Amino acid sequence: EAGVAQSPRYKIIEKRQSVAFWCNPISGHATLYWYQQILGQGPKLLIQFQNNGVVDDSQLPKDRFSAERLKGVDSTLKIQPAKLEDSAVYLCASSLVDREYTQYFGPGTRLTVL
Amino acid sequence: GESVGLHLPTLSVQEGDNSIINCAYSNSASDYFIWYKQESGKGPQFIIDIRSNMDKRQGQRVTVLLNKTVKHLSLQIAATQPGDSAVYFCAENSGGSNYKLTFGKGTLLTVNP
Repeated sequence: EAGVAQSPRYKIIEKRQSVAFWCNPISGHATLYWYQQILGQGPKLLIQFQNNGVVDDSQLPKDRFSAERLKGVDSTLKIQPAKLEDSAVYLCASSLVDREYTQYFGPGTRLTVL
Repeated sequence: GESVGLHLPTLSVQEGDNSIINCAYSNSASDYFIWYKQESGKGPQFIIDIRSNMDKRQGQRVTVLLNKTVKHLSLQIAATQPGDSAVYFCAENSGGSNYKLTFGKGTLLTVNP
């Protein structure tokens, strides 16, 4: 079974530029999560989708971050404009509905903002 | 030990020894806890979980202990191997049936051959 796929794996941008990350969850997983992991810290949930609807986006900085999952499968996370403090690894995870206690993580995208 | 800024708590053990990694959680209402292992350049990987109605759960070479009185969780790894070297995170579910996970800061385990 293929795992959670993410791209790109690495991205370097200047502050105030825009960036987008892509995630393809495990087939059949209706629940999808985006986490931000700053160096030396645990992942922090940014947004949770079930199918194409948002379940929780309470920790998403909505002035600069946006995410969508239009067809209930792939998802994109965008930052516009980026700030230095956005440098982090952005992790995507997925789970089956009613089994959200078991989340499978992708390898992440490491973002460096200069 | 205590983590300050970017510095992770670290644990260094000899191959074959047992390892104990500790975690203090924050929400007394949390009902589910998970330990994750994260190797360099990879996403977190599930190791073992425990529900709040239990105080101990065993897996293959791993045991999780839960002390709700002091809000403390520990992960014991038996006969630690070099492949166990990674950062270990505890996570608590503070979202009830919505399973919103809050992760701790992590502990870096280094296994010396």
